[in-house]
Amino acid sequence: QKEVEQDPGPLSVPEGAIVSLNCTYSNSAFQYFMWYRQYSRKGPELLMYTYSSGNKEDGRFTAQVDKSSKYISLFIRDSQPSDSATYLCAMSEYGNKLVFGAGTILRVKS
Amino acid sequence: EAGVTQFPSHSVIEKGQTVTLRCDPISGHDNLYWYRRVMGKEIKFLLHFVKESKQDESGMPNNRFLAERTGGTYSTLKVQPAELEDSGVYFCASSPVLAGTGTYNEQFFGPGTRLTVL
Repeated sequence: QKEVEQDPGPLSVPEGAIVSLNCTYSNSAFQYFMWYRQYSRKGPELLMYTYSSGNKEDGRFTAQVDKSSKYISLFIRDSQPSDSATYLCAMSEYGNKLVFGAGTILRVKS
Repeated sequence: EAGVTQFPSHSVIEKGQTVTLRCDPISGHDNLYWYRRVMGKEIKFLLHFVKESKQDESGMPNNRFLAERTGGTYSTLKVQPAELEDSGVYFCASSPVLAGTGTYNEQFFGPGTRLTVL
């Protein structure tokens, strides 16, 4: 079993929709939970991170962590065509070695 | 400020040959990481340098892979001899000094080197 499970999609939504992306994990020692975005032929770039449990909001993006269920989510409000990319969840015990999910391909249609 | 750079962007080699990948981290970043993504799989950690020292090399697949970071600046990852299963995208990331508990020290990723072993 993988340490981090993430549905690879693709997920296709119309412009303006609310997008929900999520990951589950098995290692209860993870304390840092990150969402990275990756465009084609580019490296991943950090969108948001959460330490331990809770919610975090940044503009149109909201990250949620539920450690009791070992489940994390990323919500994108008012999705735009420019949000089309691969979204990677990543987790870490101490903030150094990252364990990634497979990534979800998101397509926002205009 | 320049980001993390990697060279080459793409390399095609024959099985059994040697390839050396290079990573230039962001200036002043003590932490340097190597990751790779093989076809259809998730990005996986290979190793972590703090300056010139290997902090964690638990992800290195076997002794055909050798990573160095001379002088604590750029890093190289050598694969010798290359096998078919080594094909994939190799990412380098860097971050400044490790932050305290609760603060994630963002890892900045380079664009990757796409390695194809024929």
